[in-house]
Formats: sequence, structure tokens, C-alpha cells
Amino acid sequence: EVQLVESGGGLVQPGGSLRLSCAASGFTLSNYWMGWVRQAPGKGLEWVANIKKDGSEKYYVDSVKGRFTISRDNTENSVFLQMSSLRDADTATYYCVRYNNCYDNWGQGTLVTVSS
Amino acid sequence: DIQMTQSPSTLSASVGDRVIITCRASQSLDSWLAWYQQKPGKAPKLLIYKASSLESGVPSRFSGSGSGTEFTLTISSLQPDDFATYYCQQYKSWVFTFGPGTTVDIK
Repeated sequence: EVQLVESGGGLVQPGGSLRLSCAASGFTLSNYWMGWVRQAPGKGLEWVANIKKDGSEKYYVDSVKGRFTISRDNTENSVFLQMSSLRDADTATYYCVRYNNCYDNWGQGTLVTVSS
Repeated sequence: DIQMTQSPSTLSASVGDRVIITCRASQSLDSWLAWYQQKPGKAPKLLIYKASSLESGVPSRFSGSGSGTEFTLTISSLQPDDFATYYCQQYKSWVFTFGPGTTVDIK
């Protein structure tokens, strides 16, 4: 069974940093592109980033470019999202997603709250 | 970047109704469009990919059509479990975009 389990969310002050992790199981991580999608409270879905199977290509939504970095460790079956210079507008539930015919598997999400 | 719109934003319907949701893109997607269903407090679920392909395990009352810039999601006979929010997503390049969502509620 495919499982994606996010961790690392929490409360952080504006301007702070946070690293989200996604533990993947039930499939061979190195065979799939992976991504992150977020959802602000009461709002719609927003795509955040994608990373190629071997980590050699990365894509970001404009609003996080230069502040967020997606990475992966296929040997540890993990995907990461390093977030810095956080803003109030980054407050959201962050979902780890697997790309296979688009996003066929989603984690349960981890909540990031940016507030002073 | 490719922009997505959906209509309507909210739809009130009854069990058994045929429901159609429209999604439009600012440029041609060919068929690189997916549909998701999301219920409150839950992660989204993939329903349709490549505009018209039904994801495994999704009931056949869901169907997708369209290509280029205009797409539709049809629920042929609305069931109680289908009251939810539906999102389209383009994935023509590796910079993806979601539509704003359509909430289907009980009439």
C-alpha cells in the first residue's frame, strides 16, 4: 500500500524557517516525480513544487521561488521541503504528493502556521 | 503561467441529478488535465487524469471530457457521497496550476 506521511509542520514566526519531511513507503521512490501542494485554511489548492525522479530538475510556483527548496533522498525514501523567509501567506496545510497520471497519491498533510 | 478557471463556483443539486462542472485554461493543455475531489478535512482524491481517463477505483458515474482549453467533469447521477469540492488541475508542463474549485452542496 502506498503511503506518504508528512511531518515537520508547526508554528513559526514570520521570517523564520521550517523543514517539512515526507516519508514514502509501499513503492520505489526513485521511479516517481514527487511534489508538494498546499492549502491555506478555508481556501483552494495551490501547487508548490515538483522534483524529478533523480532530483536533477525542480520547479516552483512563483510565490515561493528563492525561499523554498524541494529535495529528496531516494535511499532514505524521503522528500523534503525547506522553507525560509516564511510569511503569513505561507500558512497552510502542506501535502506531499506522488506524480503518476498526475497526483495519484496524497499524504494526510502537515499544518504550517506563520504567526507572531 | 497557465491560469485556470472553473464554473460554477458553487452548485446546489439533489441526489440523482446530473452535474456538470466546467474548467477553462488560459492556453491549450492538449489533454493534460486532471480532476480531484476533496471532502472537508481530507486530502484530495484523483478522479480523472488526461482529461478523460478514469482513475482506478473511481465510480463510473464520473466522467471527463474536453481538450485544448475547455474541459468538463460530469457526474451522471449524484450520490450522497459526492457532495464535496472539485478541482481541476493542469499539468502540461512541470509548473502545475489548480482551478479555484467548485463546491457541490445539497439543494
